[in-house]
Amino acid sequence: EDQVTQSPEALRLQEGESSSLNCSYTVSGLRGLFWYRQDPGKGPEFLFTLYSAGEEKEKERLKATLTKKESFLHITAPKPEDSATYLCAVRGGGGNKLTFGTGTQLKVEL
Amino acid sequence: KAGVTQTPRYLIKTRGQQVTLSCSPISGHRSVSWYQQTPGQGLQFLFEYFSETQRNKGNFPGRFSGRQFSNSRSEMNVSTLELGDSALYLCASSLAWTSGYGEQFFGPGTRLTVL
Repeated sequence: EDQVTQSPEALRLQEGESSSLNCSYTVSGLRGLFWYRQDPGKGPEFLFTLYSAGEEKEKERLKATLTKKESFLHITAPKPEDSATYLCAVRGGGGNKLTFGTGTQLKVEL
Repeated sequence: KAGVTQTPRYLIKTRGQQVTLSCSPISGHRSVSWYQQTPGQGLQFLFEYFSETQRNKGNFPGRFSGRQFSNSRSEMNVSTLELGDSALYLCASSLAWTSGYGEQFFGPGTRLTVL
């Protein structure tokens, strides 16, 4: 059974204080690791897809990396608008089923 | 390009009733997946549809069912509602089922409250 564990559960940063979120996973036949951002009361917003170890993707202040066992979401010089819950999910096996972690709730303060 | 739309956005029902939720995928997307999100369990996979056929199913009781129409729109139904069914129900669409690659894009969700 696919499993995803995210840490920390919650993270409080000062504006400009860089940090990383962790996503550890076990999956049979990885067919994609996904990062989403979710704001309260809204659906998850797609950020990145990573397919193979060593792959990296960047978008504004966010950078996602992937190894064979985990993925990191690096946040450089965060701003208050980066405050959200960040979700990690994996797809393995057949079909499009995603297995999600429970998320990291990030709060960036002035 | 319009995103995934879900209706209604909010629902209040009482125990024992049934409910139907609707999802319209992004134009051109043919695969629709449904998820339940609760504070305790996070996002849990319900089922996915492609070409009007259920392709995959999560570990939910038979009270949860769904269908997909020829225009790729999908509905999910929950019968005999229980208090524990209160959750945010999310629909996600993607281009295809067997591609093995590609992203799922989520709608805003339907907030179901069971009293």
